[in-house]
Amino acid sequence: DIQLTQSPSFMSASVGDRVTIICRASQDISSFLAWYQQKPGKAPKLLIYAASTVQSGVPSRFSGSGSGTEFSFTISSLQPEDFATYYCQQLNSYPITFGQGTRLEI
Amino acid sequence: QITLKESGPKLVKPTQTLTLTCTFSGFSLRNSGVGVGWIRQPPGKALEWIAVIYWDEDRRYSPSLKSRGIITKDTSNNQVVLTMTNMDPVDTATYYCARVIYDTGTWHVDNFDYWGQGTQVTVSS
Repeated sequence: DIQLTQSPSFMSASVGDRVTIICRASQDISSFLAWYQQKPGKAPKLLIYAASTVQSGVPSRFSGSGSGTEFSFTISSLQPEDFATYYCQQLNSYPITFGQGTRLEI
Repeated sequence: QITLKESGPKLVKPTQTLTLTCTFSGFSLRNSGVGVGWIRQPPGKALEWIAVIYWDEDRRYSPSLKSRGIITKDTSNNQVVLTMTNMDPVDTATYYCARVIYDTGTWHVDNFDYWGQGTQVTVSS
């Protein structure tokens, strides 16, 4: 199985901050990586797929980059509604796996 | 408008069989490149992919199911059913279904773009 390790696991930030989350894969996954946002008690929401493609309707402050084994996810200017947990997901091979999550708090 | 909704028992006893149904609208499992997957999340823990079924009947399972799970589809009624046998307290989780987009050009899954609200399942005697 491909392991995904996110860093940090927890992040404290303020409105207006630029934040970056790293996702490292245990083997090459090309660009088959997605990012999701999950708020407490809610289902995950797709933000980014194919490592850097922003899902339709997602604000432009969200972006992703990377390929191979190292990926990053950036929020350019944090908004109050962005405080949530973020997960990366690899879709290169089965079993599909998720990272352990990054909890973003004020 | 695309929607998915999970349904099933909220409480099952250890060793019992769990049957969850995902009822969806706004898309069809007859369409090439479409699938429906199941993902679960134990309380306070990360997401875990369980299984997926595609338009062409291809099915994939997580090894963590250890052959306890079966995923089926009823295309006419827009439903996907997940059956898990021999349930254990470690299977306690919120179970989500999601639409899966498969890129037939790259032969890879693209993403899970729409999710149901989730259904909480507790395994306890």
